[in-house]
Amino acid sequence: DTEVTQTPKHLVMGMTNKKSLKCEQHMGHRAMYWYKQKAKKPPELMFVYSYEKLSINESVPSRFSPECPNSSLLNLHLHALQPEDSALYLCASSPAGSYETQYFGPGTRLLVL
Amino acid sequence: EDKVVQSPLSLVVHEGDTVTLNCSYEVTNFRSLLWYKQEKKAPTFLFMLTSSGIEKKSGRLSSILDKKELFSILNITATQTGDSAVYLCALFMIKAAGNKLTFGGGTRVLVKP
Repeated sequence: DTEVTQTPKHLVMGMTNKKSLKCEQHMGHRAMYWYKQKAKKPPELMFVYSYEKLSINESVPSRFSPECPNSSLLNLHLHALQPEDSALYLCASSPAGSYETQYFGPGTRLLVL
Repeated sequence: EDKVVQSPLSLVVHEGDTVTLNCSYEVTNFRSLLWYKQEKKAPTFLFMLTSSGIEKKSGRLSSILDKKELFSILNITATQTGDSAVYLCALFMIKAAGNKLTFGGGTRVLVKP
């Protein structure tokens, strides 16, 4: 299995909703990432987990809450989002010792109404 | 401030043409430069460059890094409509706060039949 999967593919939520994005990989990678990508912009790093521990938080608002329950899974919990949070959320993973070789999932396209 | 700048922003070519994409940077310390292709969703890895002057090739794509002049180019020869995509350049930087990829703004390539 050489891919990163993300669910759901699309998500529409209101500003008072609570939802979660899920990312999974079975390549044995020990680093996992969340990126946010707005239309016609490059991906921006949000969080990095290394060996299931949060190693980078790029000053992301607390309405985004990451979780790494095990080495294959990465979640992003969403609560009280704003319309400007609408974007493509990409998950990526990389092998330990080769953090730059990141494999991206197809993303979740999020619309906040 | 670290900067990764890609040019041109976009270009339109016809099948069979050759395109040259540029990625220039103002970065104090990086380990590698990467090129990604992004069609509708997930960026897909193309090349990782760590040494100056050594060309990497994969089929009709090739790339080279010039650490003295602080840029990299990505060449695509005999373009096909399937090459239409956004091409992203990223630098993997070593920082005290954590190692991470920083992306340029991308070049949007449209190949017409």
